[in-house]
Amino acid sequence: GAGVSQSPSNKVTEKGKDVELRCDPISGHTALYWYRQSLGQGLEFLIYFQGNSAPDKSGLPSDRFSAERTGGSVSTLTIQRTQQEDSAVYLCASSFNRGQEGYTFGSGTRLTVV
Amino acid sequence: GESVGLHLPTLSVQEGDNSIINCAYSNSASDYFIWYKQESGKGPQFIIDIRSNMDKRQGQRVTVLLNKTVKHLSLQIAATQPGDSAVYFCAEMGRGGATNKLIFGTGTLLAVQP
Repeated sequence: GAGVSQSPSNKVTEKGKDVELRCDPISGHTALYWYRQSLGQGLEFLIYFQGNSAPDKSGLPSDRFSAERTGGSVSTLTIQRTQQEDSAVYLCASSFNRGQEGYTFGSGTRLTVV
Repeated sequence: GESVGLHLPTLSVQEGDNSIINCAYSNSASDYFIWYKQESGKGPQFIIDIRSNMDKRQGQRVTVLLNKTVKHLSLQIAATQPGDSAVYFCAEMGRGGATNKLIFGTGTLLAVQP
């Protein structure tokens, strides 16, 4: 597609449930990033995928968070046993190569854990 | 850890005036900087970037200035318009490591008064 697509746009879940967030990057972009943005805050890096290289998971806040990228395209961010502090907007971005032409962001998934 | 911060969390300007948004960065190894604009409910949108071998770059109504001596970045918006109202983030990317990930500041809210 023309841009980075994320789904769902909004997700309300009960504490303790698992959630999956999806990202469709721009076709041809080899790099894909997940960020988290809490209300009124900046963007917190979570994980980075580049081609067939091992992902950089250094930003994942706990082992309840995981992500995969199938076939070098679509990515899924999974949060297990959600907690209220997981409530945030989860943003996905993609870029050519290592991102030094800027990232293109999706509109994000707003996750609310109740 | 390394961080990027902003001097002013909120900036209010009159329509037609010029706006200047400032940002300090702490990683002297960073060699690529981007300004993003984020409107409510949307993902960050690329505005302009600059590499460390430059000290100024101009776009349409926007100028980014980089002062590596004091590790300072600024975004100037000429003839500010109501549509410029948004949160503005600076972000830095450094050399080294497997991931050229962007580190974001906390953002500045620009409010344009008609």
